[in-house]
Amino acid sequence: DADVTQTPRNRITKTGKRIMLECSQTKGHDRMYWYRQDPGLGLRLIYYSFDVKDINKGEISDGYSVSRQAQAKFSLSLESAIPNQTALYFCATGGLAGGDTQYFGPGTRLTVL
Amino acid sequence: AQSVAQPEDQVNVAEGNPLTVKCTYSVSGNPYLFWYVQYPNRGLQFLLKYITGDNLVKGSYGFEAEFNKSQTSFHLKKPSALVSDSALYFCAVLTDSWGKLQFGAGTQVVVTP
Repeated sequence: DADVTQTPRNRITKTGKRIMLECSQTKGHDRMYWYRQDPGLGLRLIYYSFDVKDINKGEISDGYSVSRQAQAKFSLSLESAIPNQTALYFCATGGLAGGDTQYFGPGTRLTVL
Repeated sequence: AQSVAQPEDQVNVAEGNPLTVKCTYSVSGNPYLFWYVQYPNRGLQFLLKYITGDNLVKGSYGFEAEFNKSQTSFHLKKPSALVSDSALYFCAVLTDSWGKLQFGAGTQVVVTP
């Protein structure tokens, strides 16, 4: 887990506020991913990136945006947070080969009041 | 579309007994399958994966999984469960060559002393 770090680990905010979640990795991977976890739904992909010039929408990108500042950094923003964005958010990294393992950060627990 | 299903929300087992966590998949072509574990307040940790080769895959912490093509299953097993194995377990399938994973809803494992 130490190879992929996320900040903050916990955040409580109010409806309408802008929030940024940050992710850094030292694994040297090109691919980075943002997921959200909701009870009973598993993990769902929000955005993914294969390098600093490549950003792609995932299954549930509405209400979110991302920025790939460098190979090692991938941030997720909620432009105007709403209560149903309350969830556990995970960043992950992976290698270029299709079957490469994804490695996850410790997660950010976000609560939107 | 590629997908996985975990039919059990929770599995209860006594310490020392065998543990099985079920996963079935639906894919076109050859599947790449993964198991992850999430301990309380922690990120997802990789346990094992099936890409090709032997149907019995050995992973971390004494876990193994059996790939069964005819039954489209990839069940996770451990011969003798420990209380410390109590956690949330996720099965996942690779959905495309870009490394995107589709996760099951998760199975909570409770091991009682």
